[in-house]
Amino acid sequence: GAGVSQSPSNKVTEKGKDVELRCDPISGHTALYWYRQRLGQGLEFLIYFQGNSAPDKSGLPSDRFSAERTGGSVSTLTIQRTQQEDSAVYLCASSLGAGGGGTGELFFGEGSRLTVL
Amino acid sequence: AQSVTQLGSHVSVSEGALVLLRCNYSSSVPPYLFWYVQYPNQGLQLLLKYTTGATLVKGINGFEAEFKKSETSFHLTKPSAHMSDAAEYFCAVSTTNDYKLSFGAGTTVTVRA
Repeated sequence: GAGVSQSPSNKVTEKGKDVELRCDPISGHTALYWYRQRLGQGLEFLIYFQGNSAPDKSGLPSDRFSAERTGGSVSTLTIQRTQQEDSAVYLCASSLGAGGGGTGELFFGEGSRLTVL
Repeated sequence: AQSVTQLGSHVSVSEGALVLLRCNYSSSVPPYLFWYVQYPNQGLQLLLKYTTGATLVKGINGFEAEFKKSETSFHLTKPSAHMSDAAEYFCAVSTTNDYKLSFGAGTTVTVRA
């Protein structure tokens, strides 16, 4: 597809379960970002991948959160032992290069809405 | 690290009236500034950006913003609101030192007929 694709669009899970969220960036985009958007709040940076460089994990809120990017394309965000406070929309974005220093334009997917009961 | 503050979480305007959304930034180095818009049930899309050069920047759908270094502001305006402008708007900042976009909390705009 032409845009950033995320799946699932909605996920309801029970507290304590693990979840995986998937992001398919725009073809050719080397940079990939994960953000979290809690209800009524702004976007919270989680993790950033750029090419073959080590990811910037500085935004991950706890060791229950992890992400990987295989083959420089698809990324998976994993949340282990989910808690109710993990409920949010998880947004993935991609860009042609390191977003901030250049055009800064990030292309966002529609997000994965996670609800932890 | 850089940050932005959006003043007002909700703005309600009449159709045809001026839209003004306020954003102030904090950065120790020259910032790059952005406005993104999020329509209901959609992802964010770039409205406009300031990197270097002209301080008045024009974006899509008739929006514009002015970078004012002395006021550390990047307010978004549109002279005449349309019903289709109802959405959530996010101000964001990055720098050459920190590629990560830091977002404000967002401002929800409603347009009254």
